[in-house]
Amino acid sequence: GEDVEQSLFLSVREGDSSVINCTYTDSSSTYLYWYKQEPGAGLQLLTYIFSNMDMKQDQRLTVLLNKKDKHLSLRIADTQTGDSAIYFCAESSGSGNTGKLIFGQGTTLQVKP
Amino acid sequence: NAGVMQNPRHLVRRRGQEARLRCSPVKGHSHVYWYRQLPEEGLKFMVYLQKENIIDESGMPKERFSAEFPKEGPSILRIQQVVRGDSAAYFCASSFGQGDEQYFGPGTRLTVT
Repeated sequence: GEDVEQSLFLSVREGDSSVINCTYTDSSSTYLYWYKQEPGAGLQLLTYIFSNMDMKQDQRLTVLLNKKDKHLSLRIADTQTGDSAIYFCAESSGSGNTGKLIFGQGTTLQVKP
Repeated sequence: NAGVMQNPRHLVRRRGQEARLRCSPVKGHSHVYWYRQLPEEGLKFMVYLQKENIIDESGMPKERFSAEFPKEGPSILRIQQVVRGDSAAYFCASSFGQGDEQYFGPGTRLTVT
């Protein structure tokens, strides 16, 4: 079945780069997403990548996709305290592509000043 | 430029009562998804609806849960005879078309006492 896995916690110092990793199982995934959730809030779409791409850059964010290994990563350059949040990786279901999202359990990013 | 609206933001119900959660999608969006987030976990897909139709309810518990998205008005997620295990954050997302980017609401946090 479909499954998305993430490490649960990452701590970095302000100004360093953060790399959050994700693995997925559904080889028919069409889009892969990164969402940010701040405490008590909803999800904010940060970026996404189409499955036929291997890299996408958007300002401080870089997404790398290794389709062979089904591995996705999100790199945040020059991490700021405001980046502290939970980051979710998600894939869109390939089966029938209804668009439903399968989420990982989230990575809590702690940024120390 | 209203985004997805959900109400109430917080809902407290006693065991055995009914919970009704409302979601108003982004104006012009006719696709609605409901997700549930249990404490310390990622979001799990529940149901996908288009106006007046349930397209995919593969994530809905078989009993006590129902959803609708009428021609007029918000989408409603209804939970009958709530139990403590229903305590969670329930998020609604909407999209313009099937498989398009999903915009999330702020969520309804249900507490069952």
